[in-house]
Amino acid sequence: AQKITQTQPGMFVQEKEAVTLDCTYDTSDPSYGLFWYKQPSSGEMIFLIYQGSYDQQNATEGRYSLNFQKARKSANLVISASQLGDSAMYFCAMREGREAAGNKLTFGGGTRVLVKP
Amino acid sequence: KAGVTQTPRYLIKTRGQQVTLSCSPISGHRSVSWYQQTPGQGLQFLFEYFSETQRNKGNFPGRFSGRQFSNSRSEMNVSTLELGDSALYLCASARSGGRMQNIQYFGAGTRLSVL
Repeated sequence: AQKITQTQPGMFVQEKEAVTLDCTYDTSDPSYGLFWYKQPSSGEMIFLIYQGSYDQQNATEGRYSLNFQKARKSANLVISASQLGDSAMYFCAMREGREAAGNKLTFGGGTRVLVKP
Repeated sequence: KAGVTQTPRYLIKTRGQQVTLSCSPISGHRSVSWYQQTPGQGLQFLFEYFSETQRNKGNFPGRFSGRQFSNSRSEMNVSTLELGDSALYLCASARSGGRMQNIQYFGAGTRLSVL
């Protein structure tokens, strides 16, 4: 079974509008971390936001917020007020186990976002 | 503060050769991980080094190996290259040790083409 599933291979969004990128995960470990990364065409992966499995509040970082629904095992990324520079591939990733166990990330297949002016 | 530096950025090799990729982590980061990205398989974890020891390993053949030096710099080696090894190889570093310490920051990658 896929550990991280991103069901939207690609999407268009109008500049200045909000967009939600879906991510569902599968793990039996009670301790895990969820990450979102952005990969522009240049190739570098840019960290956007992190949510720990024990965090009570949804994570927010500027225009990025994570809609964490633990019971549904979903961790959707919301980008508010989209900008042209937001056009990129977006990856959801998971680290299973406690932080001390290390940093192995499992990635989803990604969602390509294209922001239209 | 300098980011993660990977060298070289581009490499062209032929089948059967070997290759070494280098990664310099962010200053103060002790964990270095390597990932392979291909159009077909996506992003896959290769291995992680922490304090010069391999801490985690992905499902790759023994042709893929790595090491970490005392200054946390890491190298990845692929021996007997195959066409399927053509990929973008990404290195990531993390401070490691606590809740927000395990966020991995990535380099720009090394694009390897095997002919």
